[in-house]
Amino acid sequence: QKEVEQDPGPLSVPEGAIVSLNCTYSNSAFQYFMWYRQYSRKGPELLMYTYSSGNKEDGRFTAQVDKSSKYISLFIRDSQPSDSATYLCAMKAGSTLGRLYFGRGTQLTVWP
Amino acid sequence: GAVVSQHPSRVICKSGTSVKIECRSLDFQATTMFWYRQFPKKSLMLMATSNEGSKATYEQGVEKDKFLINHASLTLSTLTVTSAHPEDSSFYICSAGDPDGYTFGSGTRLTVV
Repeated sequence: QKEVEQDPGPLSVPEGAIVSLNCTYSNSAFQYFMWYRQYSRKGPELLMYTYSSGNKEDGRFTAQVDKSSKYISLFIRDSQPSDSATYLCAMKAGSTLGRLYFGRGTQLTVWP
Repeated sequence: GAVVSQHPSRVICKSGTSVKIECRSLDFQATTMFWYRQFPKKSLMLMATSNEGSKATYEQGVEKDKFLINHASLTLSTLTVTSAHPEDSSFYICSAGDPDGYTFGSGTRLTVV
């Protein structure tokens, strides 16, 4: 079993839709959770960074972490064509700069 | 925010030659840098972790003699792909640990012909 599972999609939605992206994980030691956006042929860009369980909101983006279920989500409200990208979840155990464990990424297309 | 500059963005080389990829942290000191490889439609595969002034730690299955990593200063880490072969063609990305987490370079598309 992979440490982090993420449905690769592709996911295609109309502009304005609410998008839900999810990851599950198996390692209960993970405490720090991140969502990255990656445009084609570019490096990942950090969207959200959360610690432990709970919700975090930043503009149109909301990150949720449910450690009891080992499940994290990213919601995008009022999706825009510019949100079309691959979204990668990532997580790590300790607070030091240890390695990140990534999901496969979900390819999202928002059509006008 | 933190910025990591990675060069070149794209390189084509002949089989058997070596290629060097640079990763610089522009406005912060990065004691730890990570090198990843990414295949099309796949996630990032961690190749190695480099700490300034010490030898890199390679992940299992990564040939340390083929992928030479040097982290000689707090702002620069380099990955050299030695004696490159077509199977080394891939997208290579560096990441630096910064005060707010991890910042990634823009990646290098390596094509070995």
